[in-house]
Amino acid sequence: GQNIDQPTEMTATEGAIVQINCTYQTSGFNGLFWYQQHAGEAPTFLSYNVLDGLEEKGRFSSFLSRSKGYSYLLLKELQMKDSASYLCAAMDSNYQLIWGAGTKLIIKP
Amino acid sequence: IAGITQAPTSQILAAGRRMTLRCTQDMRHNAMYWYRQDLGLGLRLIHYSNTAGTTGKGEVPDGYSVSRANTDDFPLTLASAVPSQTSVYFCASSDSGTGTGELFFGEGSRLTVL
Repeated sequence: GQNIDQPTEMTATEGAIVQINCTYQTSGFNGLFWYQQHAGEAPTFLSYNVLDGLEEKGRFSSFLSRSKGYSYLLLKELQMKDSASYLCAAMDSNYQLIWGAGTKLIIKP
Repeated sequence: IAGITQAPTSQILAAGRRMTLRCTQDMRHNAMYWYRQDLGLGLRLIHYSNTAGTTGKGEVPDGYSVSRANTDDFPLTLASAVPSQTSVYFCASSDSGTGTGELFFGEGSRLTVL
């Protein structure tokens, strides 16, 4: 079956770096998405990886290894506003998104 | 401001009642989607539409129906609501029918079925 695994919750300190991991199993693969979702709000797009390697976008970077079925989201210089849930989603061969349950990131001062 | 508008924002509904959640986008996106989000679970696709006039079933379509009469509107109907349909519902759109584009989400509709 198709599956996405990511940690349920992580805690980090303001100003630090945190890495949120995601492993996936899908029927075929057409890319890996990361979304950010603040409590009570809609998800917003962060990144899309379809090739192996690291994509950097400001304080956020996303990495993909297709051979390992693995991705991570790296957040640098953490700010309190980064407290949110981070959703990993993999696109299968039918271009359907398979979503993880999300990782709730708690930032402490 | 361009985007997706959902209505209502929240609703409490008696079991057995019919309910339609409205979704309108002004970005001229071809593809539209309805998801439900429940605590501890990932977003689950209910129905989708790759273009006006076509719809398809997602992962959890039972008890729901959709229509796509034009590009902008994609309403979701619960014919006879049940308590297990208590959830937060998100409408989303993308500018590619193949789904390789990012999803733009509405603000969500929180539905409670008693």
